[in-house]
Amino acid sequence: GQQLNQSPQSMFIQEGEDVSMNCTSSSIFNTWLWYKQDPGEGPVLLIALYKAGELTSNGRLTAQFGITRKDSFLNISASIPSDVGIYFCAGPEVNAGGTSYGKLTFGQGTILTVHP
Amino acid sequence: EAGVAQSPRYKIIEKRQSVAFWCNPISGHATLYWYQQILGQGPKLLIQFQNNGVVDDSQLPKDRFSAERLKGVDSTLKIQPAKLEDSAVYLCASSLGTGLVNGYTFGSGTRLTVV
Repeated sequence: GQQLNQSPQSMFIQEGEDVSMNCTSSSIFNTWLWYKQDPGEGPVLLIALYKAGELTSNGRLTAQFGITRKDSFLNISASIPSDVGIYFCAGPEVNAGGTSYGKLTFGQGTILTVHP
Repeated sequence: EAGVAQSPRYKIIEKRQSVAFWCNPISGHATLYWYQQILGQGPKLLIQFQNNGVVDDSQLPKDRFSAERLKGVDSTLKIQPAKLEDSAVYLCASSLGTGLVNGYTFGSGTRLTVV
């Protein structure tokens, strides 16, 4: 099956710093999703990307869909303590006809720690 | 709108025992998913339902795991017998349709510890 590799595995930063993390795949994705998971909770969707080259923002978060369709990055600007959590990239698997049927493949996650 | 409800939140069992998890999706969501999330990893799909039919159960260890969604609404996932490697968080998610990946909503999960 498809695999997504995220880096870095973990980050320790000071409040106010900017953060960048990325996700790569050996195969093409038609959609890239970025999720955040807080302790004891399920993942929550942050940003969805649908087109190669697309750059999308959601508040202090910015994500881009790579031109090759095999990578994506997520930036967080001016981090705050509530940004702490695990960030996952994900992409939908597609059937033989190239249509998503709902199954998501997730990366292994980037653990973010923000020191006040 | 109410979210995806899961119970119990936590469960500790001994290996070879049985366990069942319950999920109630968002009202009107036809598609329901069960994911397994082992510590330090991303969620991995176990089974996907569209109404009460199975769309994908290719990653479900069918010798010990079973799932049903009899009336096309809530669902149960069962493990019998449990192994140590089944320790994980079991996440339920739902969406309006199969192609609407941006419309996924996850529940808070059930954390299973097998000792």
